[in-house]
Amino acid sequence: DGGITQSPKYLFRKEGQNVTLSCEQNLNHDAMYWYRQDPGQGLRLIYYSQIVNDFQKGDIAEGYSVSREKKESFPLTVTSAQKNPTAFYLCASSIATGNTEAFFGQGTRLTVV
Amino acid sequence: GQQVMQIPQYQHVQEGEDFTTYCNSSTTLSNIQWYKQRPGGHPVFLIQLVKSGEVKKQKRLTFQFGEAKKNSSLHITATQTTDVGTYFCAGNFNKFYFGSGTKLNVKP
Repeated sequence: DGGITQSPKYLFRKEGQNVTLSCEQNLNHDAMYWYRQDPGQGLRLIYYSQIVNDFQKGDIAEGYSVSREKKESFPLTVTSAQKNPTAFYLCASSIATGNTEAFFGQGTRLTVV
Repeated sequence: GQQVMQIPQYQHVQEGEDFTTYCNSSTTLSNIQWYKQRPGGHPVFLIQLVKSGEVKKQKRLTFQFGEAKKNSSLHITATQTTDVGTYFCAGNFNKFYFGSGTKLNVKP
């Protein structure tokens, strides 16, 4: 059963704590992405990775960090430096960056209190 | 940087009416993709357009890519309640840049 899995679906954290969101894919895709979606808004690119051990900043990378140590995994850490972390986070993957479709995970809704 | 603008932001229609959303880029796109996100869900790929002036159809959905490859549209004929959701275009500049989306509400 191939796909892209994000966990957990809902996450609550206290202000000032770092939190890591999981994203795993078994589609053998080289490219992976993290997006942030705020209510009624579009998707804004946080980080993306074209290949293992490489990643690039998107438009809103400040306050976030990622790693790509394995092809299957692209975890996102929301650090205490992120001013407004409460949002819906979506992970996606594609065969490569370029003209291939993106497959999305179910998303993680992070609430910081 | 690259931007993909999408209008309108919201559209409320009566079931059976048509619906169109438009996507515009400040720069030429190598291709454009369209996604649908149901309420509470995640974006799901609908289609990709690559060629200048390309038109593709999926049942009641018609997708167009402009001649200059800077704009695109999605038209739904005779909307149904199952069409409810937010429709996003995504321009590809070596990574996916999504438009702000058009939220479609269909009243039965």
